[in-house]
Amino acid sequence: DIQMTQSPSSLSASVGDRVTITCRASQGIRNDLGWYQQKPGKAPKRLIYAASSLQSGVPSRFSGSGSGTEFTLTIGSLQPEDFATYYCLQYSSYPYTFGQGTKLEI
Amino acid sequence: QVQLVQSGAEVKESGASVKVSCKASGYTFTRNYIHWVRQAPGQGLEWMGVVNPTGGSTSYAQRFQGRITMTRETSTSTVYMELSSLRSEDTAIYYCARETEPERWFDPWGQGTLVTVSS
Repeated sequence: DIQMTQSPSSLSASVGDRVTITCRASQGIRNDLGWYQQKPGKAPKRLIYAASSLQSGVPSRFSGSGSGTEFTLTIGSLQPEDFATYYCLQYSSYPYTFGQGTKLEI
Repeated sequence: QVQLVQSGAEVKESGASVKVSCKASGYTFTRNYIHWVRQAPGQGLEWMGVVNPTGGSTSYAQRFQGRITMTRETSTSTVYMELSSLRSEDTAIYYCARETEPERWFDPWGQGTLVTVSS
C-alpha cells in the first residue's frame, strides 16, 4: 500500500499569511494526488486534482505542486474562511490513501 | 444537480452488522465509481473501498477485508456498504463519494451517516 505522510499535523497562522502543507508518498504516484478541505461537521470539499489543477470556483490563492513523491498545497494569503483541516489523497492505485490531515488554526 | 443521499444514523451493538445506503441522482449512475470513506470522531479520513456500479466489482482496504461488502442496485441507483462484526472502533461517520472523470476526484460526497457502536 502507498503511505501518505502529511505535515505538519497542525499549523497556527494569521489572516494574510502564506502557508504550505506537504504530502510525501511512500512510492511514486506521478501526479495522481488531490487536496481536500474539510470544515467541522461537513463533508470534505475538493480543491485541487492532478496535484496542481485548481477546481473551478476555488480561489486562486490556493495552489498545488509536485510530482512523484513530494507534493505541496500552498495558500497564498489566508482568509478567515480558510481555517479548516486539509487532506491529501493519492489515487494512483488501490487502496487509495489519505494523508493524516493538517488542521489550520488561527 | 448531482447528489448522493445516504441513509440515516444507526446505533448498533458490538458484534452486529450495519448496512448504509447511498442513493445517486442527477447523472448516469453507471458512469462513475462510488467510494466509501469513514471518519472516526476527531480523526482523519480513511478510505474503505470502492464499487464499480457497472459490473459491481469492488476493491477494499485490507484492514476491512472479510467484514465489508459493497454492492449496488442499478434499478434504484443505490450503492450499499455493509460492515459486519462491529466494534467500538467502528464508531464513525461514513461517507460515500462519487469519483469523477477525468479529474478523478471525489465529488459530490454524501451527507454522511453516523454509525455508533455500543458495547
